Amino acid sequence: NAGVTQTPKFQVLKTGQSMTLQCAQDMNHEYMSWYRQDPGMGLRLIHYSVGAGITDQGEVPNGYNVSRSTTEDFPLRLLSAAPSQTSVYFCASSYGRGWGDTQYFGPGTRLTVL
Amino acid sequence: AQKITQTQPGMFVQEKEAVTLDCTYDTSDPSYGLFWYKQPSSGEMIFLIYQGSYDQQNATEGRYSLNFQKARKSANLVISASQLGDSAMYFCAMRLAYSGGGADGLTFGKGTHLIIQP
Repeated sequence: NAGVTQTPKFQVLKTGQSMTLQCAQDMNHEYMSWYRQDPGMGLRLIHYSVGAGITDQGEVPNGYNVSRSTTEDFPLRLLSAAPSQTSVYFCASSYGRGWGDTQYFGPGTRLTVL
Repeated sequence: AQKITQTQPGMFVQEKEAVTLDCTYDTSDPSYGLFWYKQPSSGEMIFLIYQGSYDQQNATEGRYSLNFQKARKSANLVISASQLGDSAMYFCAMRLAYSGGGADGLTFGKGTHLIIQP
């Protein structure tokens, strides 16, 4: 099993550009989520999905869109990149939404917005 | 709202010594899970250990154990016989039963940077 995969590993954008961060998992997990990690801080939840066709907002959703058409894939779209979106982005998945379900993380995407 | 506090921004420890990384949490929910993740300099987030709020025994995984003191709301990570490869950032996190309003997924502390010295 590859677990959770993310592409690209690194990306540089100019302000106003759009892009999609890809995330896939092969563990048949229903729950998938996106976090961002900023210097000196823990991770913060952007969006999450409890299954194909169902998404919802997390703590910091502004400027991001998600969709979930299959169980395996959960892409994150930046609509119009801003310097404040410079961060490391992690995708994670877990079997379910329960408080006991362990989330497993992808390797991360380091995004710089100029 | 739930909160995780890690009070040690950085720690230096001699190789082969035991290490305790502090974590306190705040929630009024009776059901929650506590997790520790390791983030080496390469950047990935590696799951280490889990403790459920109803678990009577402290969790253990190899050299990692979780010192769970429910009344004090603490969930300290203990690493026995530290190794150079243990040098990394360590994050404590909590997951609650879903309650709506964006409060889903994991709530993280700010982390502890552990450096193991030879």
